[in-house]
Amino acid sequence: DTAVSQTPKYLVTQMGNDKSIKCEQNLGHDTMYWYKQDSKKFLKIMFSYNNKELIINETVPNRFSPKSPDKAHLNLHINSLELGDSAVYFCASSRRGQGYEQYFGPGTRLTVT
Amino acid sequence: AQTVTQSQPEMSVQEAETVTLSCTYDTSESNYYLFWYKQPPSRQMILVIRQEAYKQQNATENRFSVNFQKAAKSFSLKISDSQLGDTAMYFCAISNFGNEKLTFGTGTRLTIIP
Repeated sequence: DTAVSQTPKYLVTQMGNDKSIKCEQNLGHDTMYWYKQDSKKFLKIMFSYNNKELIINETVPNRFSPKSPDKAHLNLHINSLELGDSAVYFCASSRRGQGYEQYFGPGTRLTVT
Repeated sequence: AQTVTQSQPEMSVQEAETVTLSCTYDTSESNYYLFWYKQPPSRQMILVIRQEAYKQQNATENRFSVNFQKAAKSFSLKISDSQLGDTAMYFCAISNFGNEKLTFGTGTRLTIIP
């Protein structure tokens, strides 16, 4: 069984469109994250949720809005897509607390044309 | 704020040899955790090894071990008896006490040569 799943795995869309990426974890974790990996492979935190509450919000444009309907799901909605949004987006989850392993999803490669 | 530096963008080594990947970090915290993650061509991020800063003993996981030098803020990864499946990007990361986010280095692309 997949521990952290993301849909879709690939997403190609045009500038100006709105798209969503879904993430689900079946590990019973209460903390979930979104990371962005750019074309140079650099990984950076975007958001973190704990028990549906936003706890980390790095400097991310307002066009990006995370939504957590329950502890097992964390979705990422992106409005008015721009070329610079092209990247791989990773969802991750962990137990609450410091030092616990974060389990990553397979990533969603977003290409904006 | 914390930073992580990986000074080796690429490395290659013959199969069965030992290789060491370098990582230095900076943090103002005294309690933190350090990680090495592996990203093979499949893109999946996989935890290789973790180290609690308050533990002096270096962590080991089978063929993987770390050399943690707290005073020097250094956290290198040693891979012994390297295998073809070790070919991947390797990321060093830090997580501070009280802040669960991972801050990653820029990665080292490791290629194991048959």
